[in-house]
Amino acid sequence: GAVVSQHPSRVICKSGTSVKIECRSLDFQATTMFWYRQFPKQSLMLMATSNEGSKATYEQGVEKDKFLINHASLTLSTLTVTSAHPEDSSFYICSATQGGRGVSGYTFGSGTRLTVV
Amino acid sequence: RKEVEQDPGPFNVPEGATVAFNCTYSNSASQSFFWYRQDCRKEPKLLMSVYSSGNEDGRFTAQLNRASQYISLLIRDSKLSDSATYLCVVNGGSNTGKLIFGQGTTLQVKP
Repeated sequence: GAVVSQHPSRVICKSGTSVKIECRSLDFQATTMFWYRQFPKQSLMLMATSNEGSKATYEQGVEKDKFLINHASLTLSTLTVTSAHPEDSSFYICSATQGGRGVSGYTFGSGTRLTVV
Repeated sequence: RKEVEQDPGPFNVPEGATVAFNCTYSNSASQSFFWYRQDCRKEPKLLMSVYSSGNEDGRFTAQLNRASQYISLLIRDSKLSDSATYLCVVNGGSNTGKLIFGQGTTLQVKP
């Protein structure tokens, strides 16, 4: 089945530094990638949608200059948290789709737990 | 109002019990509905899709009521391994393919 590899799985960084998270679709071409954030005991919140070769579409309240998304190829999307602060500590998960909207249309990465100290 | 609402629980039930989770969604244009399961500190995994006619997969039964914008999940004969958070998920009702997640309902099955 479709697999999305996300790394790192866990990262601890100092406040003010930037962190890059990668998501790769291993056996399919991901035309669209979704980036989610999940705080403890809360739901997954969609941050942005990225389509290969075009600018990402950010959800309301998500700062595009702080969360840089690049989807330069059909198999790779990256999320860079710039100038991270402790309040950015969260679980970040990507999801990729080949464009279908049905059951098999969405594949999730295993998530990245970011801790900013 | 949240786009997808669930009772967060937790639901604490003994092994073998039957438990039901409910979910409501606000966007009447939504077309696709799912239940996902999320274990602690892991990514969500698709449990089952939800169809208008209702569908069953082993001990799990999902129902959809479009008129009431209501989705349910029934788990029969609960196992210890069913302990997890169950997420009600709805597509965004547009061509973007966005999924909207509920807060999740936590189930704890005890021996």
